Amino acid sequence: EAEVAQSPRYKITEKSQAVAFWCDPISGHATLYWYRQILGQGPELLVQFQDESVVDDSQLPKDRFSAERLKGVDSTLKIQPAELGDSAMYLCASSRLAGGTGELFFGEGSRLTVL
Amino acid sequence: DAKTTQPNSMESNEEEPVHLPCNHSTISGTDYIHWYRQLPSQGPEYVIHGLTSNVNNRMASLAIAEDRKSSTLILHRATLRDAAVYYCILRDPGYALNFGKGTSLLVTP
Repeated sequence: EAEVAQSPRYKITEKSQAVAFWCDPISGHATLYWYRQILGQGPELLVQFQDESVVDDSQLPKDRFSAERLKGVDSTLKIQPAELGDSAMYLCASSRLAGGTGELFFGEGSRLTVL
Repeated sequence: DAKTTQPNSMESNEEEPVHLPCNHSTISGTDYIHWYRQLPSQGPEYVIHGLTSNVNNRMASLAIAEDRKSSTLILHRATLRDAAVYYCILRDPGYALNFGKGTSLLVTP
């Protein structure tokens, strides 16, 4: 069964360092999402892509976060510089349809700890 | 965004049915009701969704009130593997899912 792949699974970094997360969605899925989940809370949308275009990045802290999906397939989420409050699980999800009510498929996430 | 209200936690005995409630009094006509669940240390997974009519699939059933201001996710026979956080989400087609805090379901043997 196809899955959303994410790496790294775990990342420990020091404050002010740069960190990057990678996501490979299910083949053929046009829509890709990055979510952040702080312990004890539900996931919060950071950015939504439709193919290579950003659809919604209103919740992305653009002073330190950036996201790209250059060829409309895999995607990278970068944080520079990392802050203590960025410690969280970063989840990637994809869906087949651009609109509609299509199911979102989530990866296992990348857990970030900032020291 | 229309919001949902769910109990913080619920407890069930194994092999018993579980009814997880969700209130969404400000739901709009285009909002679909989605349920996802998140097992420990995993990403969320889709459970079921509906618009107006009750829905059934292999995982669960979704009962939607006639006025659509509330819904109930029904797990017909809880197992230990059903212990998870269950999220009730209103979704306008084409938009992303906006998660709340969900209901943490504890299943005891």
